[in-house]
Amino acid sequence: QQPVQSPQAVILREGEDAVINCSSSKALYSVHWYRQKHGEAPVFLMILLKGGEQKGHEKISASFNEKKQQSSLYLTASQLSYSGTYFCGTERSNDYKLSFGAGTTVTVRA
Amino acid sequence: DSGVTQTPKHLITATGQRVTLRCSPRSGDLSVYWYQQSLDQGLQFLIQYYNGEERAKGNILERFSAQQFPDLHSELNLSSLELGDSALYFCASSVATGTGNYGYTFGSGTRLTVV
Repeated sequence: QQPVQSPQAVILREGEDAVINCSSSKALYSVHWYRQKHGEAPVFLMILLKGGEQKGHEKISASFNEKKQQSSLYLTASQLSYSGTYFCGTERSNDYKLSFGAGTTVTVRA
Repeated sequence: DSGVTQTPKHLITATGQRVTLRCSPRSGDLSVYWYQQSLDQGLQFLIQYYNGEERAKGNILERFSAQQFPDLHSELNLSSLELGDSALYFCASSVATGTGNYGYTFGSGTRLTVV
């Protein structure tokens, strides 16, 4: 079952912050975050395994609320290079299937 | 270069035909995953192999089949092609059996156009 991402799209100016949310109706084992630039393959950003865990990749960080089955990706002080479509991928326990959300398109403008 | 190699990069074929997409995983990765990406469906999981064995199936049509060979490369076979099969097909690889603690490394994809 696909997770639900919000918002669908966001437009930022350089230096602004944004939050992308990912939620599932099922209990989750892990949440992945990927970024895909136009015409390219998705690139792995980070994985979160436990409730409340927070990780970071440059000025991009994420949290995972295991009780709510929700994850949030935080883009801090956005740069032009952050533009792209961000996907969350969720895995339920022991089923080896990573289901992706529909994606959130981020556009960062100078 | 991500280390995952997919060939061909582009493929144009007619309805009713059969094609084979090839994927070589990153060195050391035992798991291979196939995904279909179309504009209206996002990234759809098709199938996963681990060290030659099928481990998980997603929304893969009966007209589609896949396998992973002893050298760990994988092939996705698409037959009786329809216009709706036009999409970008990604292969990804990872070290682990399941997703575990490891992210996926995606190849650059094969763009299939059925005319």
